[in-house]
Amino acid sequence: KAGVTQTPRYLIKTRGQQVTLSCSPISGHRSVSWYQQTPGQGLQFLFEYFSETQRNKGNFPGRFSGRQFSNSRSEMNVSTLELGDSALYLCASSGQLQETQYFGPGTRLLVL
Amino acid sequence: GEDVEQSLFLSVREGDSSVINCTYTDSSSTYLYWYKQEPGAGLQLLTYIFSNMDMKQDQRLTVLLNKKDKHLSLRIADTQTGDSAIYFCAEEEGSGAGSYQLTFGKGTKLSVIP
Repeated sequence: KAGVTQTPRYLIKTRGQQVTLSCSPISGHRSVSWYQQTPGQGLQFLFEYFSETQRNKGNFPGRFSGRQFSNSRSEMNVSTLELGDSALYLCASSGQLQETQYFGPGTRLLVL
Repeated sequence: GEDVEQSLFLSVREGDSSVINCTYTDSSSTYLYWYKQEPGAGLQLLTYIFSNMDMKQDQRLTVLLNKKDKHLSLRIADTQTGDSAIYFCAEEEGSGAGSYQLTFGKGTKLSVIP
């Protein structure tokens, strides 16, 4: 069974731009969570989607948003990028009955 | 909010055992997890333990859970150079509606000396 995939793997943007990251979960998994990893703050929860609905949200500004499609693939969007948004963005998927989260390789975003 | 604490660094000699410790705060966590992260990579699930267990063994990995003290440890037997990585302890926090989020420690960087 293929693992969680994320595209693109690397991205360079400038301040003020917006960015969209994509995540394809493990086949059969319907829950997708997003996390931000930075050297200063560590790993922080962004949001979780299940059956195209956002079920849970972390403490991030409204510039961070996401969505999930009917095939469980998810995208997250960051608008009006700031330098501090430079991070590794990790996506994780889990099955309906098992909460264990399996992570993808991440998208490394650099904001200049 | 919930908090997970880990020591930041651990150095061991190849062949020795490594013990990585973690304290957590959410007594309602059903599962506690250990993830491994190698440079430039995502998080690899190593193992997890159900909160009503005291110990779980999986090949070279042993997880000990002291629920009273909210203390979790990961022991790696016969540590190899390939075990050099950052190890994250994580507790799950339920938000209701079947949703769970993970709260991670800052990670312990394990360095294995040949």
